[in-house]
Amino acid sequence: KAGVTQTPRYLIKTRGQQVTLSCSPISGHRSVSWYQQTPGQGLQFLFEYFSETQRNKGNFPGRFSGRQFSNSRSEMNVSTLELGDSALYLCASSLNGLTGELFFGEGSRLTVL
Amino acid sequence: GENVEQHPSTLSVQEGDSAVIKCTYSDSASNYFPWYKQELGKRPQLIIDIRSNVGEKKDQRIAVTLNKTAKHFSLHITETQPEDSAVYFCAASRGGGGTASKLTFGTGTRLQVTL
Repeated sequence: KAGVTQTPRYLIKTRGQQVTLSCSPISGHRSVSWYQQTPGQGLQFLFEYFSETQRNKGNFPGRFSGRQFSNSRSEMNVSTLELGDSALYLCASSLNGLTGELFFGEGSRLTVL
Repeated sequence: GENVEQHPSTLSVQEGDSAVIKCTYSDSASNYFPWYKQELGKRPQLIIDIRSNVGEKKDQRIAVTLNKTAKHFSLHITETQPEDSAVYFCAASRGGGGTASKLTFGTGTRLQVTL
């Protein structure tokens, strides 16, 4: 069974630009969560999608948004990039998001210059 | 909201010794406590988890204990090996009701196993 796949793995953007990251969950998993990992703040929850609906949201500004498609694939978007958005963005999939067992992808490393 | 504190931030042990990492949480409604291992440049991987209706769980050399009253949970690794070297994260969430995926993570413990 293929694991969680995230694309792109690495990207460099400049301040003010926007970025879209993609996540394909494990086959059969319907819940997709996004986390931001930085050396200073650690792993922080961004949001979770289930059946194309945002079910939970963390404490991030509205510049961070996401969506989920009918095949459970998910995208997250960050608009008006700031230097502090440089981070590893991790996607995690779960069967239904009810048991807490998350399977993470390798992440997308975003550098904002 | 939930707050998870993790100690120590770094831990160095000799191969074969035991390692213990401790976490405390603040939200009494949290009932799911996973531990993740993240090797350098790799994804976090779930190594063991425990739910609030269980006090202890063991999987080979790894065990987790939970004290709900004190809001403490700990990871125990016995007979450590060099491949155990990694950063370990504890986390907590309210399982069920669609909030289980909203994990609050500790700040991580860098474990180094020396020969």
